[in-house]
Amino acid sequence: AQSVTQLDSHVSVSEGTPVLLRCNYSSSYSPSLFWYVQHPNKGLQLLLKYTSAATLVKGINGFEAEFKKSETSFHLTKPSAHMSDAAEYFCVVSWGNFNKFYFGSGTKLNVKP
Amino acid sequence: DAGITQSPRHKVTETGTPVTLRCHQTENHRYMYWYRQDPGHGLRLIHYSYGVKDTDKGEVSDGYSVSRSKTEDFLLTLESATSSQTSVYFCATGGDTGELFFGEGSRLTVL
Repeated sequence: AQSVTQLDSHVSVSEGTPVLLRCNYSSSYSPSLFWYVQHPNKGLQLLLKYTSAATLVKGINGFEAEFKKSETSFHLTKPSAHMSDAAEYFCVVSWGNFNKFYFGSGTKLNVKP
Repeated sequence: DAGITQSPRHKVTETGTPVTLRCHQTENHRYMYWYRQDPGHGLRLIHYSYGVKDTDKGEVSDGYSVSRSKTEDFLLTLESATSSQTSVYFCATGGDTGELFFGEGSRLTVL
């Protein structure tokens, strides 16, 4: 069965330090991978997506993620955290023709001044 | 902004009453989805639609039904609401472009 695992439910960093949010998926098929961000009381917004082109994907607001097939991972990084990055982040995986998406349980990012 | 409107945005109801949530889109997207969001569970798919009158169940469909009579509207119905259906419900559209577009959510409280 397909599954998506976000390894940390909460991550806390200081402003200006790097961010790493981890995501692993399970499947023998090539997936499409996404990271979404949700600010409090808001809907989800796409940060970036991987769909079998370059393995290093750049997204909005300085975020990027690297697809590593051998590790079945798609970790989200940012070199320098900003206070406005505080939100919940979801790793999402899709197999096949995009009609079903599987969500990780989310990682809440806290950014300390 | 994919032009997705959910209504109502907030609703409080009592156990056993029927509830209908509406999702309206203006982008003519083929796929539409209903998810529920609960702490520690991320988003879980309730039902989805791949065209007018074409729907299928998701992973948590028990107690829910859906209808799509027009491309732009996707309705989620709780026939007899229970306290376990207290949640935030999100409508999403998309699929063909490889990404989902989300509404702002509908917060439902069942007393």
